[in-house]
Amino acid sequence: GNSVTQMEGPVTLSEEAFLTINCTYTATGYPSLFWYVQYPGEGLQLLLKATKADDKGSNKGFEATYRKETTSFHLEKGSVQVSDSAVYFCALKGTGGFKTIFGAGTRLFVKA
Amino acid sequence: GAGVSQTPSNKVTEKGKYVELRCDPISGHTALYWYRQSLGQGPEFLIYFQGTGAADDSGLPNDRFFAVRPEGSVSTLKIQRTERGDSAMYLCASSVRFYQETQYFGPGTRLLVL
Repeated sequence: GNSVTQMEGPVTLSEEAFLTINCTYTATGYPSLFWYVQYPGEGLQLLLKATKADDKGSNKGFEATYRKETTSFHLEKGSVQVSDSAVYFCALKGTGGFKTIFGAGTRLFVKA
Repeated sequence: GAGVSQTPSNKVTEKGKYVELRCDPISGHTALYWYRQSLGQGPEFLIYFQGTGAADDSGLPNDRFFAVRPEGSVSTLKIQRTERGDSAMYLCASSVRFYQETQYFGPGTRLLVL
């Protein structure tokens, strides 16, 4: 079945550092891929998405590219801020399906 | 406008009791999802409604879990004979249509079974 694997956290970075959170997936067909973020004390919210191979999703300085050849959707940001401290979830939704499958989440701490 | 709301925000109950968790989706959203999130894990799909009907309930762990959405808006997740292993955060999400991929999540109900 479909699954998502993302790097374990926590990830601790200093402000303005470069961020990469790795995500790989297993799925048949052509799933849609997502990154969700959960800020402290808040609900999950969609950060970015990509619906087909080679698409790049971007939002708030974050980017992720749908790589079908490596079945990956790594999250990157060139310069993180303290306000980016949160838990980040990689997710996929299979072709024609209703279920969204989430990874275990990666907690990011950004120090001033 | 208002987002997805869930009540109660916290629920403490004793093993064997019955609980109901409520979800108010964004007005006009026809698709509604329930997820369960254990500590340190990502959300796990439970059930999906399109309108009043459960289009996919394959994620419900056993027959103690049941969900309804009688008028196509508010949904209630019902858990009978609660067990300690049911303790988790229960999340609700809604989207405009079933094929719309942006889901809007509520803040969740944290259930603790003693």
